[in-house]
Amino acid sequence: GENVEQHPSTLSVQEGDSAVIKCTYSDSASNYFPWYKQELGKRPQLIIDIRSNVGEKKDQRIAVTLNKTAKHFSLHITETQPEDSAVYFCAANSGGSYIPTFGRGTSLIVHP
Amino acid sequence: EPEVTQTPSHQVTQMGQEVILRCVPISNHLYFYWYRQILGQKVEFLVSFYNNEISEKSEIFDDQFSVERPDGSNFTLKIRSTKLEDSAMYFCASSEVTGGGETQYFGPGTRLLVL
Repeated sequence: GENVEQHPSTLSVQEGDSAVIKCTYSDSASNYFPWYKQELGKRPQLIIDIRSNVGEKKDQRIAVTLNKTAKHFSLHITETQPEDSAVYFCAANSGGSYIPTFGRGTSLIVHP
Repeated sequence: EPEVTQTPSHQVTQMGQEVILRCVPISNHLYFYWYRQILGQKVEFLVSFYNNEISEKSEIFDDQFSVERPDGSNFTLKIRSTKLEDSAMYFCASSEVTGGGETQYFGPGTRLLVL
């Protein structure tokens, strides 16, 4: 089955800095890569996703890049704000299954 | 914007008791899911459901778990005889399409505590 590794587990930045969270996956047939933001005690919310036929996708301050050859994908947040503080989960849909395998999460802390 | 809803928000039960967690998926969605998240850990897939039957299930989803869509709106997860290790947040999710690219929308979760 799919295995998703996520780093770092904790990321602390100053307001206005950029934050990058990286994930790797094992199944080369995976074709859908969502990112979820989970605030403390709340539901995971999809913030951006990318499909395997695209290398990069951007939505305002958030961008995701995908390197299919290396089986890496990353979340980039620019101009971070305190309200960006949350746990971010990457996920990958294993080929032949539409069930996402989640990474272990990155706790992002943005200091004002 | 339509959202997945779940009840109850919190449930405390004694070990060995049965619990039923309820979810109302987004109305035009056809695929339904249950996930579990133990405190401080990642989200883990339990089961997916489509066309009134289980599509996929993980090894966590053993014989003590069952799912049902008793009517046109509710989707339930039953834990027959709860164990201490079943204490977790349980999320329901739904999606519109499948095929490796669908977006899943999560409910607010039910926090289950087994004593």
